[in-house]
Amino acid sequence: KQEVTQIPAALSVPEGENLVLNCSFTDSAIYNLQWFRQDPGKGLTSLLLIQSSQREQTSGRLNASLDKSSGRSTLYIAASQPGDSATYLCAPEYGNKLVFGAGTILRVKS
Amino acid sequence: KAGVTQTPRYLIKTRGQQVTLSCSPISGHRSVSWYQQTPGQGLQFLFEYFSETQRNKGNFPGRFSGRQFSNSRSEMNVSTLELGDSALYLCASSLTGGQNSPLHFGNGTRLTVT
Repeated sequence: KQEVTQIPAALSVPEGENLVLNCSFTDSAIYNLQWFRQDPGKGLTSLLLIQSSQREQTSGRLNASLDKSSGRSTLYIAASQPGDSATYLCAPEYGNKLVFGAGTILRVKS
Repeated sequence: KAGVTQTPRYLIKTRGQQVTLSCSPISGHRSVSWYQQTPGQGLQFLFEYFSETQRNKGNFPGRFSGRQFSNSRSEMNVSTLELGDSALYLCASSLTGGQNSPLHFGNGTRLTVT
């Protein structure tokens, strides 16, 4: 069964901290892996997509790494800001289907 | 470029009724996927369409169905509604649904079944 686990479930940090969100998946036969953020009552915003052949991907203050063989991905957020407060979701893709973790709820305090 | 548009934003239905949700993908995107989000089960895959053909289906009962039109717009139908169908239904589109094609989500339709 394809399962995704995200740790921690929730995180509260002061503004300016660097932080790491962790994602693990049981089935390593992924096409790619996407990280999303979701604001309350809204849809999902794609942050980064890492292809299965890649090791990492960067966008601004965000860096995502992928270790496909061990079934792990991390999202690194540098110099966190209050606007980063949201739920972060990890989703490996298997044949046109994304499998989501439960998410990490991030709160950045000003 | 306009994003993924889902209508309506909110729906309230009664048990036993049926409902149709609509999704307009980003212009040029040919793959449309549907997901259900509930507090208990999180985000779960319903189905994916590409060029009017269903390519993949999740573990949902036959009451959940969908279709895609020649302009890539998609509809999802739920018949004989149950209380447990109350959820946020999210539609996502991508160019091809393939390996290098990120998904772009709409803001969802919030369905409440009473």
